[in-house]
Amino acid sequence: EPEVTQTPSHQVTQMGQEVILRCVPISNHLYFYWYRQILGQKVEFLVSFYNNEISEKSEIFDDQFSVERPDGSNFTLKIRSTKLEDSAMYFCASIRGGLQETQYFGPGTRLLVL
Amino acid sequence: AQSVTQLGSHVSVSEGALVLLRCNYSSSVPPYLFWYVQYPNQGLQLLLKYTTGATLVKGINGFEAEFKKSETSFHLTKPSAHMSDAAEYFCAVSEGGYQKVTFGTGTKLQVIP
Repeated sequence: EPEVTQTPSHQVTQMGQEVILRCVPISNHLYFYWYRQILGQKVEFLVSFYNNEISEKSEIFDDQFSVERPDGSNFTLKIRSTKLEDSAMYFCASIRGGLQETQYFGPGTRLLVL
Repeated sequence: AQSVTQLGSHVSVSEGALVLLRCNYSSSVPPYLFWYVQYPNQGLQLLLKYTTGATLVKGINGFEAEFKKSETSFHLTKPSAHMSDAAEYFCAVSEGGYQKVTFGTGTKLQVIP
């Protein structure tokens, strides 16, 4: 069964460093999403992406964040200058088409900012 | 603005008993409603969703939820709990499909043998 994959599974970085989290959505999917879950807290929507541009973003998704689909398969989330409070589990998700479709999630990347 | 309240951060049921996880929402427009499940050390999985139409929604693994507009509720049920149902369940609401989804704080379901 096709699945969404994410790399790395864990990343530790120093505050102020840039990180890139990678996701490979299911191959025929067109809509892509990033969410995060701070330990012990609820899941939060970050951004949605369609047709090579951001379609929606939350208040969390400030200028420190960016997304890109550089090569037609990868979907990346970049955090330019990490802060301690960026420590969280980051989930990528994708769907093929509209709301009638099922959304599939990756296993997540656990980011720890020291 | 939209919000979700999940009543009970932890729920315990006996194997074979009814599962009822409560969710109330607030939305300024007709909502889209979702239930997700997260198994230990895994990502999220969509259980079911309500968009429009039939208010009783059936999902995977025998779960279903009923949209009750008058009660602003979207409770998740399963007639008979299985040990494999032990997980954390998140209710979520949006005003625009999968975009800008607001999640609840989650309910951890424990199934007792």
